[in-house]
Order: sequence, then C-alpha cells, then structure tokens
Amino acid sequence: AQKVTQAQTEISVVEKEDVTLDCVYETRDTTYYLFWYKQPPSGELVFLIRRNSFDEQNEISGRYSWNFQKSTSSFNFTITASQVVDSAVYFCALTPIIQGAQKLVFGQGTRLTINP
Amino acid sequence: KAGVTQTPRYLIKTRGQQVTLSCSPISGHRSVSWYQQTPGQGLQFLFEYFSETQRNKGNFPGRFSGRQFSNSRSEMNVSTLELGDSALYLCASSFRGSKVPEQYFGPGTRLTVT
Repeated sequence: AQKVTQAQTEISVVEKEDVTLDCVYETRDTTYYLFWYKQPPSGELVFLIRRNSFDEQNEISGRYSWNFQKSTSSFNFTITASQVVDSAVYFCALTPIIQGAQKLVFGQGTRLTINP
Repeated sequence: KAGVTQTPRYLIKTRGQQVTLSCSPISGHRSVSWYQQTPGQGLQFLFEYFSETQRNKGNFPGRFSGRQFSNSRSEMNVSTLELGDSALYLCASSFRGSKVPEQYFGPGTRLTVT
C-alpha cells in the first residue's frame, strides 16, 4: 500500500517570503512516480511536476524548486519570493509505475495563503 | 489544445436517486481516471478506464461504476445516492503507459445530495 503525508495543513506567509511544503511518502514499490499538483479556488487540479524514483536530481523552474530525497522518502516543494497568486491548496501524490501509473494516491494537501 | 471537460459542473440530487457524470479527455489521451474529493477523505481514486476497459479500481462500493466509449469519453454513474456521496468529482486524462504519465484534470462536477 502507498501513503502520502503532508503534515502541514495550512501555511500563511507574507508576500515575497520563501515557503517550503513538505511531502513524505511510503511505498513498497521499487519504481514509482511522484507529483505535485496545485488546486486554486476554481477547483481544477493543475499539474506542476513529475519525478520518477530513478531520478533524484532536484529541479528548479522559475520561483519553484523541488527536492527529492529517496533516502528519507521526501519530495519537498519550495516557492521562492512567494506571490499572492501562489495561494492555493497544494497536493503531493504518488503512483506505482506498474499498472500504468494511473492510480494516484494523494496527500491531504497543504493550504497555502500568501498575504499581501 | 482543449483541456479536459466535465459536465455538468454542478448537480443537486436527492438521496436514493442515481446520477451520471460525463468527462471528455484531452484529444489523443486514451486513459481516463475518476477521483472523489471530500473535506473528510480528501482525494480518492475511483477507477481508471483505458481502451474502453476498466484497468484500475479504488476502494468504493459497487454503486459507483463507469464506462468508456470508443472516442475515449467516459461516464461515471452513482446509483442509490447517499448523503455521503456529496463531493467534487474530478476526471483526469493522460497518455497511459508512456514517458508522459501525468494526469491532467478537468474542473470537476460538484455533486450535492440532499
């Protein structure tokens, strides 16, 4: 069985602060994908990034960066110089590659509020 | 390219009724997955369809069913609705089994059962 834990239920910061969202996962599968999705108030989940279990290279995309550490089963997400538009609920998700990698297991989500 | 579309966007039903939700995937995507989102249980996987066949199934009762058509459009049906079925139902599509497995989600159908 797989499990994703996002211990931070809510985070509130002032605009321009850096913020890190934590994600810890459990799986017995040796090959799997990890994802981050963003859910703005409109409700639609927006795909942000995918990592596979073979690739521990961290990634930076503009103000976003991701830190994947297989040794600690963590896949954390950092927003640098946060903006009000970053306010949303962020979900970390996991799926085993076997069976087509379509059965996402989500964490409970972290509600991020960026105050002006 | 058009995104995933879901209809209807909002629905109010009475306990005991049945409901059918529709999802049209992104052009070229042949896998469609359904998820239920509630405040208490969060986002939970319902099932996935690919090439008109159910490929994966979550832990939901048999009242929840689905199907996929030859054009990859999918429908989800819930029979004998219960109050606890009130939720946001999200549909997602993807290129299954490829190097681009990420799922792209629609805006959801918000179902309220009274």
